[in-house]
Amino acid sequence: NAGVMQNPRHLVRRRGQEARLRCSPMKGHSHVYWYRQLPEEGLKFMVYLQKENIIDESGMPKERFSAEFPKEGPSILRIQQVVRGDSAAYFCASFGTGDAKNGYTFGSGTRLTVV
Amino acid sequence: GQNIDQPTEMTATEGAIVQINCTYQTSGFNGLFWYQQHAGEAPTFLSYNVLDGLEEKGRFSSFLSRSKGYSYLLLKELQMKDSASYLCAVRDRNQGGKLIFGQGTELSVKP
Repeated sequence: NAGVMQNPRHLVRRRGQEARLRCSPMKGHSHVYWYRQLPEEGLKFMVYLQKENIIDESGMPKERFSAEFPKEGPSILRIQQVVRGDSAAYFCASFGTGDAKNGYTFGSGTRLTVV
Repeated sequence: GQNIDQPTEMTATEGAIVQINCTYQTSGFNGLFWYQQHAGEAPTFLSYNVLDGLEEKGRFSSFLSRSKGYSYLLLKELQMKDSASYLCAVRDRNQGGKLIFGQGTELSVKP
């Protein structure tokens, strides 16, 4: 049973380009969370999705950021017109109904560097 | 809102015991989690508490007091590989059930 898969592991973008980060949850998990982690800081919640629905996007910046979790395929976090401040590690986590004791399972993250 | 506090960094000696504290304020507490994160890697689940008391898992134990909004993670027989960041996270049913993380405690284990 593969864990949470994120790709790419490292992504370099020039200012103004678009970044697409992908996350495939664990098999059988229908809840996906995206978190951002700046150097020396904790994980900051961005968005919570279930298949085809955004449940909570209270942590998403209002502009340039969007997320989706289609019926088929991975969840995508999209950052348009990236700026240097977007440089961070972006972690995806998945959760299955009935997994209350086990918490989230995190992917290995995508480290975005904006140059 | 929520406020989760833990020390920024701690240092301990190999073979010793260390206690990492976490205090929280939340309106709809529904569980507290501890994660370990090595530099450049994903957080990995360590423990879960939802009722008061101590949960033991090998060298690691976690304690919760809901009335005090307090938890600690206890690491025994410290090993060099335990050097990592330890993240306290609270699940709040009034926040859609998502996990809210503290800033993490960077633990350095010295020989």
